[in-house]
Amino acid sequence: ILNVEQSPQSLHVQEGDSTNFTCSFPSSNFYALHWYRWETAKSPEALFVMTLNGDEKKKGRISATLNTKEGYSYLYIKGSQPEDSATYLCASNNAGNMLTFGGGTRLMVKP
Amino acid sequence: DGGITQSPKYLFRKEGQNVTLSCEQNLNHDAMYWYRQDPGQGLRLIYYSQIVNDFQKGDIAEGYSVSREKKESFPLTVTSAQKNPTAFYLCASSILAATYEQYFGPGTRLTVT
Repeated sequence: ILNVEQSPQSLHVQEGDSTNFTCSFPSSNFYALHWYRWETAKSPEALFVMTLNGDEKKKGRISATLNTKEGYSYLYIKGSQPEDSATYLCASNNAGNMLTFGGGTRLMVKP
Repeated sequence: DGGITQSPKYLFRKEGQNVTLSCEQNLNHDAMYWYRQDPGQGLRLIYYSQIVNDFQKGDIAEGYSVSREKKESFPLTVTSAQKNPTAFYLCASSILAATYEQYFGPGTRLTVT
């Protein structure tokens, strides 16, 4: 079983704060790194899929970077809003179509 | 609308009973997956299927069974052999490629007493 770790486990920020969290994953046989957002009472939704070392992806105020050599990815949220409150999951695909998920970072943004 | 559906949303069963969770997709995806989530933990893979009439065990398959008789459907049976069946179960589907995201259903919360 691969080890995908996310930190912190939970995070409380004030509206307007920028924040970031980390996903670490095995760098051997790496294919892709996925980020998902999971809002309460909804299904997880894909944010980004990254494959190449140095990849950076952006969607609105959310961006992510990827370092495949050292096995980590950062997710950044600029100017957090209450609607950003969710659990953010990362998942690594190492050789094959199976994803190994981290435990998630639960973000709560206070108005 | 294209998507993936799971039913029911909440399910209650007595210990010792088998229970089947439904998962249907109309996205024409070849691959389907079942995950389990427990409080404070990430999603753990129970079973997956990449083609009709074929499926593979994931990391925690013991006490579960699946079938894939149709491309659209991938039901999960939680058997009485599963020691801790109470959990949240998520079904997902995807194109068969590492770089494509998985699409998730809304989940079924199973409580066994």
